[in-house]
Amino acid sequence: AQKITQTQPGMFVQEKEAVTLDCTYDTSDPSYGLFWYKQPSSGEMIFLIYQGSYDQQNATEGRYSLNFQKARKSANLVISASQLGDSAMYFCAMREPILTGGGNKLTFGTGTQLKVEL
Amino acid sequence: DAGVTQSPTHLIKTRGQQVTLRCSPISGHKSVSWYQQVLGQGPQFIFQYYEKEERGRGNFPDRFSARQFPNYSSELNVNALLLGDSALYLCASSPGTGAVHYGYTFGSGTRLTVV
Repeated sequence: AQKITQTQPGMFVQEKEAVTLDCTYDTSDPSYGLFWYKQPSSGEMIFLIYQGSYDQQNATEGRYSLNFQKARKSANLVISASQLGDSAMYFCAMREPILTGGGNKLTFGTGTQLKVEL
Repeated sequence: DAGVTQSPTHLIKTRGQQVTLRCSPISGHKSVSWYQQVLGQGPQFIFQYYEKEERGRGNFPDRFSARQFPNYSSELNVNALLLGDSALYLCASSPGTGAVHYGYTFGSGTRLTVV
């Protein structure tokens, strides 16, 4: 079963409008972290926002906010006042412990391609 | 401050060859993780190293190996290359193993093409 599900392969939004990118996750671990990354065509993964499973408030970083609904296991990214430069692939990821070795890894969804239009 | 540095940026190899990819983490970061991103998919975890020890391995064949050096830089080696190994290989550094949010920082990746 997929641990991170992004059901929107592509999204369009008009400049200056808000857009919501969906992400649902699956885990039985009470301690986990959720990340959103932006990946432009250059390939680099750019960190946008983080939500810890015990955080009481939804995370916000500038124009980015995370709509965290723990009971529904969803962590949607909201981008306000979209800009042309926001056009990119967006990935939702969950940090999980590695049972052998004591490390941690990120499990990514399949991504959502966002296109901002004039 | 320099970010995560990966080299080379692009690489073309023939099936059956071996390749070595390199990563220098952010100064002060002791952990390096490697991810493979096949076109059209999200990155897949390959390895994590912390303080020169392997702390985790993803579901990849033994053809994939890695190591971390005393200066915390890392190499990813892939032997007997297959066409399916063609991908963007991403390196991420973090101060610790990532048990809490330390902010994984990714490099720009190495694009490997196997022909």
